[in-house]
Amino acid sequence: KAGVTQTPRYLIKTRGQQVTLSCSPISGHRSVSWYQQTPGQGLQFLFEYFSETQRNKGNFPGRFSGRQFSNSRSEMNVSTLELGDSALYLCASSLQVNSPLHFGNGTRLTVT
Amino acid sequence: KNQVEQSPQSLIILEGKNCTLQCNYTVSPFSNLRWYKQDTGRGPVSLTIMTFSENTKSNGRYTATLDADTKQSSLHITASQLSDSASYICVVSAINSGAGSYQLTFGKGTKLSVIP
Repeated sequence: KAGVTQTPRYLIKTRGQQVTLSCSPISGHRSVSWYQQTPGQGLQFLFEYFSETQRNKGNFPGRFSGRQFSNSRSEMNVSTLELGDSALYLCASSLQVNSPLHFGNGTRLTVT
Repeated sequence: KNQVEQSPQSLIILEGKNCTLQCNYTVSPFSNLRWYKQDTGRGPVSLTIMTFSENTKSNGRYTATLDADTKQSSLHITASQLSDSASYICVVSAINSGAGSYQLTFGKGTKLSVIP
């Protein structure tokens, strides 16, 4: 069974630009969640989707948004990028809410 | 406020030795506690998940314990191998009854280095 796939693996953007990251969950998993990971803050929850509906949202500004499609694939978008948005963005899928998370290997975003 | 504290922040041990990582939490209402292993440059991988009624759970050389009364968990690694070098993250799930969902609180992890 294929794992969680995130694309692209690496991304370099300039301040003020926007970026879209993609996540394909494990087949059959309907819950997809996104996380930001930085050395100082660890893993921080961004949002969670289940069957195309956002069920939970973390404490991030409105520049961070996401969506889930009918095939459970998900995208997250960050607009007006800031230097502080440089991080590893991880996507995870699970069979149902509150079951073990299966993480992708992340997208490393660098904002210059 | 829900919090998860892990100790130590980092640890260096010799190959073949055992070690124990700690996780203290102030999360309620408690649903479950999870341990993940994250290799450098990779996403975290689930090691164990324990509910309120489970005191111990093993996954190969990894054994997690949970004391729900003191709100403490530990991850014990037996006969360490070089491949155990990674960050170990403790995650606690709380029931978010108002939203009918669950909230995860992440520790900042313990970075383990196993040296030959």
